Amino acid sequence: IAGITQAPTSQILAAGRRMTLRCTQDMRHNAMYWYRQDLGLGLRLIHYSNTAGTTGKGEVPDGYSVSRANTDDFPLTLASAVPSQTSVYFCASSRTSGSGYNEQFFGPGTRLTVL
Amino acid sequence: TQLLEQSPQFLSIQEGENLTVYCNSSSVFSSLQWYRQEPGEGPVLLVTVVTGGEVKKLKRLTFQFGDARKDSSLHITAAQPGDTGLYLCAALTESNYQLIWGAGTKLIIKP
Repeated sequence: IAGITQAPTSQILAAGRRMTLRCTQDMRHNAMYWYRQDLGLGLRLIHYSNTAGTTGKGEVPDGYSVSRANTDDFPLTLASAVPSQTSVYFCASSRTSGSGYNEQFFGPGTRLTVL
Repeated sequence: TQLLEQSPQFLSIQEGENLTVYCNSSSVFSSLQWYRQEPGEGPVLLVTVVTGGEVKKLKRLTFQFGDARKDSSLHITAAQPGDTGLYLCAALTESNYQLIWGAGTKLIIKP
């Protein structure tokens, strides 16, 4: 069982370029999330999806977009990358959303550097 | 803005010592989770606490949720090098049911 996979593992990107980070889960979880993790700031929610076909904005959505065409995949797109988007990006999923008992399962992360 | 403050930010101690890390907020939460993250990996859930005053034990780790559900602590007894990692608390907001995260406590246990 793979759980959550993310691709690429790492990427160096020129500013202004478009980039899509891929995330796939095989647990049939309804809810999926994208976070960025920066030193001293913890995890910040970028976008989320409570179920296939729906998405919502998190704490730091500007410059990012997502889609949820099916249950398994939740890609994150940077339309025109800027250096402040340099970060480690984590995709996560949970069985449902809005319940305190829900465990979030995380992928291994994508380390993105925008020059 | 609801914030979760974790303290200390960094802690380095010798194997065998005890330690406590804290997660505090001015807001009331419906539940709180503790995760541990190792370098190069995503966080992994350790425990969820829901009831004010609740205490949960996981081997040498003891988790407590404050009576007012605004704060939590993690106590490790006889720390071991395998306990090294970044400890994150995350709380479920009552407004939009999303987790908010603390910045974490980086713990190093020296053999």
